[in-house]
Amino acid sequence: SAVISQKPSRDICQRGTSLTIQCQVDSQVTMMFWYRQQPGQSLTLIATANQGSEATYESGFVIDKFPISRPNLTFSTLTVSNMSPEDSSIYLCSVESRDRFADTQYFGPGTRLTVL
Amino acid sequence: AQSVTQLGSHVSVSEGALVLLRCNYSSSVPPYLFWYVQYPNQGLQLLLKYTSAATLVKGINGFEAEFKKSETSFHLTKPSAHMSDAAEYFCAVSGRRNTPLVFGKGTRLSVIA
Repeated sequence: SAVISQKPSRDICQRGTSLTIQCQVDSQVTMMFWYRQQPGQSLTLIATANQGSEATYESGFVIDKFPISRPNLTFSTLTVSNMSPEDSSIYLCSVESRDRFADTQYFGPGTRLTVL
Repeated sequence: AQSVTQLGSHVSVSEGALVLLRCNYSSSVPPYLFWYVQYPNQGLQLLLKYTSAATLVKGINGFEAEFKKSETSFHLTKPSAHMSDAAEYFCAVSGRRNTPLVFGKGTRLSVIA
């Protein structure tokens, strides 16, 4: 399995500011994924981050709004830029780790963001 | 492409009763299927996964799920509900390694004493 930590665990931010969320994994992984979970909703993929290349964004998400860094195989950051109240969500990173029998995606504890 | 449909956004059962949470999937390749649980104000915890081995998969906390290819289903069951099972349950699918998961909309399970 993989142990994933995220910082900060929660934050309250003002409209128009930016927040950078950190994701640290206890082992080297190829891909890291960033998801958003809006209040009362399911998880939606924001982007896939591969070390050494640009992140791949899903429809509806753009690099200017959600820039991602992936400097090495155990770390990634997601920035939520120029925030508005609509960005209030839980942001989760996940990685795929090869278990005994198959590949499994594990999730960090999430960053709960509130934008005022 | 993959997709997941969870039937029932909210399921309510009595303590000790059978829990059945429904999940149907669509996948253009042999799927990997997962059930995750999210307790209030917490992250996602893996309950169980299907990996193309045994079709009946046993997970943590007494949960199990059966992969039925003919029905494209992966329903989650537990013989006897406990109060601590109250949470949000998500079914998810992926198609191959290092691809993101596609989640269903989730089912909120309530357990009544």
